[in-house]
Amino acid sequence: NAGVTQTPKFRILKIGQSMTLQCTQDMNHNYMYWYRQDPGMGLKLIYYSVGAGITDKGEVPNGYNVSRSTTEDFPLRLELAAPSQTSVYFCASNPASSYNSPLHFGNGTRLTVT
Amino acid sequence: QKEVEQNSGPLSVPEGAIASLNCTYSDRGSQSFFWYRQYSGKSPELIMFIYSNGDKEDGRFTAQLNKASQYVSLLIRDSQPSDSATYLCAVAEVKLSFGAGTTVTVRA
Repeated sequence: NAGVTQTPKFRILKIGQSMTLQCTQDMNHNYMYWYRQDPGMGLKLIYYSVGAGITDKGEVPNGYNVSRSTTEDFPLRLELAAPSQTSVYFCASNPASSYNSPLHFGNGTRLTVT
Repeated sequence: QKEVEQNSGPLSVPEGAIASLNCTYSDRGSQSFFWYRQYSGKSPELIMFIYSNGDKEDGRFTAQLNKASQYVSLLIRDSQPSDSATYLCAVAEVKLSFGAGTTVTVRA
C-alpha cells in the first residue's frame, strides 16, 4: 500500500520562486491536510480539505494556496517563496467518516528558501 | 495562550525506567486525543489515541485522559533505547492541533 505520497523529498528555492508540493493518497480518504514543522516545533496546519472541491485555511495559510480537484490529490502551491517558508512540510489524510480519526502522514518535503 | 502545551524537554530516562509525558489543552470541546512518535527526520507515527476519560493501555504505553482537568498524559514503561524520539500530543476538535513535542532520550 502506498498510503500518502509526497514529492519532492527535498527542494531548494531562491527567494521569489514558486513551486508546487505534490501530495496524493490511495486510501479514498476525504480529509486531507498540509502541515509545516519548523525545527523543535510541533506541526502547524496550513490548509485542509474535507473533500474534492472544498478547501479551508488552517493556522498559517499566508503565502500558500491549495486546490482539491480529486479525492486523491491535494497539491500545495508557494507563489513567492520567502526564507520564512523554510520548513518541513507534511501532507496527511484521514478517513471520510470522522475528523477525529488518526492521521496518515506522508514522508515529508524538506524545503529550503535562500 | 497555546492550544496544546507539552512539558518541555528534553527528558532523559535510564533504560527500563518509566517515562512520563504530559499535555494540557485549552479547548473544552476537544473530542479526541492522540500521541504520535517522531524519529528525527521522519514523519509522525501514531502510538495511541484516547477518546474517553481514564486510562488506555497498549503494550508498554498507557495514555491517561482527564477532560475535567484538560489533561492527557503518556506513560512509557520499561523504556528502551528505541523509544528515544520526540513525542507529539495532538488534540482534535474540528481540526487537529499539535503540541511542540517532548524529546525523550533513553540512556542505556
